[in-house]
Amino acid sequence: SQKIEQNSEALNIQEGKTATLTCNYTNYSPAYLQWYRQDPGRGPVFLLLIRENEKEKRKERLKVTFDTTLKQSLFHITASQPADSATYLCALFRDTGTASKLTFGTGTRLQVTL
Amino acid sequence: EPEVTQTPSHQVTQMGQEVILRCVPISNHLYFYWYRQILGQKVEFLVSFYNNEISEKSEIFDDQFSVERPDGSNFTLKIRSTKLEDSAMYFCASSEGNGPRHGYTFGSGTRLTVV
Repeated sequence: SQKIEQNSEALNIQEGKTATLTCNYTNYSPAYLQWYRQDPGRGPVFLLLIRENEKEKRKERLKVTFDTTLKQSLFHITASQPADSATYLCALFRDTGTASKLTFGTGTRLQVTL
Repeated sequence: EPEVTQTPSHQVTQMGQEVILRCVPISNHLYFYWYRQILGQKVEFLVSFYNNEISEKSEIFDDQFSVERPDGSNFTLKIRSTKLEDSAMYFCASSEGNGPRHGYTFGSGTRLTVV
C-alpha cells in the first residue's frame, strides 16, 4: 500500500531563517501532492498543491518542490516567523473517479523561536 | 471566509453507546469527507460522500459506522456501538470539486472520548 513519511517529527529554527520540511513516499506515483498546516486542536488547512509535472510551486513565503525520481517533496518557509509554528502535513492526493482521497504523512512540528 | 462547522467540539460517551457527529459543510461544496486522527497519529481517511451516496470507504469504516446527509446542509457520522479505540479527533471536510486544485476545507473537529 502507498506510504508517505515525513522524516522529522519536529524542527526548531530561529526567526528569519528558512525552514525546510521533507516528505517521502513509496509504493505509489502520485500525480498530485498537497501540503496542509495543522494547529493544535484544529483541522488541517490547505496550503499548496503541486503536480507531478511541476518542479516547483510558490505562494508568498512558501515554496514546494516535487521530485518524482527521488519520490520526495520539500516544503520551504522563507523568512520564518513565530506565527509559522504549527504542524505541517504532506498528503498524497488520489482521484478515485467518483471522489478523491488524501493519504497524510505523520506531520512535522515546526517551532520558530525569536 | 466560509467554514466547515462541526458539533459538538467534544463528546464523551460510554462504550457501547451510539454517537452522532454533526457537520455543516460549505454551502456550494459537493463532496464531503470524514477523517479521523487518533492522538499522536496520522490523519486517516474514513469515507467520502457525493451525490447522496458513499463514494469510497476505508477498512476502518466498518458496519458500526454510517454517514447521512439528512437535509441540504447537514452531514453526519454515526457510530452505532462505540469502542474504546474509537476515541479520536473526527474531522469533517468538504470540497467544491473532485480535482486536486480544490483543496479540502476541514472543520475544527469533534474530539470523541469513549470511556
